[in-house]
Amino acid sequence: SQQGEEDPQALSIQEGENATMNCSYKTSINNLQWYRQNSGRGLVHLILIRSNEREKHSGRLRVTLDTSKKSSSLLITASRAADTASYFCATDAGGNTNAGKSTFGDGTTLTVKP
Amino acid sequence: NAGVMQNPRHLVRRRGQEARLRCSPMKGHSHVYWYRQLPEEGLKFMVYLQKENIIDESGMPKERFSAEFPKEGPSILRIQQVVRGDSAAYFCASSRGEKLFFGSGTQLSVL
Repeated sequence: SQQGEEDPQALSIQEGENATMNCSYKTSINNLQWYRQNSGRGLVHLILIRSNEREKHSGRLRVTLDTSKKSSSLLITASRAADTASYFCATDAGGNTNAGKSTFGDGTTLTVKP
Repeated sequence: NAGVMQNPRHLVRRRGQEARLRCSPMKGHSHVYWYRQLPEEGLKFMVYLQKENIIDESGMPKERFSAEFPKEGPSILRIQQVVRGDSAAYFCASSRGEKLFFGSGTQLSVL
């Protein structure tokens, strides 16, 4: 499997439910970031969590990081139809000072039904 | 602040033609990154440029692909003699600190 691999590949839920997406990676990291991509659009940065952090919140988003398991999760609470998008994790490898050379996973496609 | 601007949004080329993709970073940003995204996949890093310099091109194919970011004007990703396998979405991003700001991409279709 590749660095920054998300699961599930696709997730379909009802509006109001919570959505959880997971990301696993292989090498040591400086930080891990989550992005959102609407169909046919560029990626929008959601949240960054550093390697020395375990949990971070931003609005309805909650991100956890477990460096011992090399995994992260993104939780979207009280989902809305507008949350329908693809979600990607991206890792910035340890020792890499080039923030743009992140490694992206293949994403989780979230569908929130009204 | 207009954000990262890419054009064209859609580009159709026949095999063997050249494709030129343009990217203007956010105001005040001098770092530009190009990524390629195939259907149902994540973004793959291609090249990192600063004004007039290529910093890291480790993700760019050695042949037919080139990138530049001149002192004046947008960054250009150039693909010569395109083949069907070049069909993809090409995204440009500029950075502020550790965050990347992406353009809306150019969808290249090679017939």
